[in-house]
Amino acid sequence: GAGVSQSPSNKVTEKGKDVELRCDPISGHTALYWYRQSLGQGLEFLIYFQGNSAPDKSGLPSDRFSAERTGGSVSTLTIQRTQQEDSAVYLCASSSGPASYNEQFFGPGTRLTVL
Amino acid sequence: AQSVSQHNHHVILSEAASLELGCNYSYGGTVNLFWYVQYPGQHLQLLLKYFSGDPLVKGIKGFEAEFIKSKFSFNLRKPSVQWSDTAEYFCAVIDPNGGDKIIFGKGTRLHILP
Repeated sequence: GAGVSQSPSNKVTEKGKDVELRCDPISGHTALYWYRQSLGQGLEFLIYFQGNSAPDKSGLPSDRFSAERTGGSVSTLTIQRTQQEDSAVYLCASSSGPASYNEQFFGPGTRLTVL
Repeated sequence: AQSVSQHNHHVILSEAASLELGCNYSYGGTVNLFWYVQYPGQHLQLLLKYFSGDPLVKGIKGFEAEFIKSKFSFNLRKPSVQWSDTAEYFCAVIDPNGGDKIIFGKGTRLHILP
């Protein structure tokens, strides 16, 4: 089947605008993760959804960032009032269960540029 | 908090050279460790993982990594690299205090000269 997909692949926005990034996980995967990849900074954990449990939001850098996962499948990461420091590649990953025991499959990412 | 350090940010080797990329983590207890690879223009993918058992872990494409608990290390090795190994390599660890969160290192960019 298809892998993890993300849209859009590229997004250019002006400072202060809101953006929505979408992730379609692999069908049947109960766990979904969002990461941010900045140049030279590796991958920064943002948020984690596992089944119907409350999400782990501990990595969200500010209250301008939020994410939801509807119906246990598609997830949307929303960044409000974007700032230039939000420019990065936003990666989504899914796995069939907890990362402690299951491989994460990554999407191609969304490259966000805030002017 | 758990952290992961990758000592080499950029490595350049010739084909057939041996490779060792360093990775150290900070937590002293039971750990789950990973190496991920991102080839140019491709998705991040799992190279190998260590959960328990034999500390020498074999991965895809001839890579291996050795978990040395006393040194808090999980170095990645390959005896003879190929041009196709040009990629960025990330070491990662499950945060034992953070549920199922994975902490990544900053990555090592490997460039193999043909």
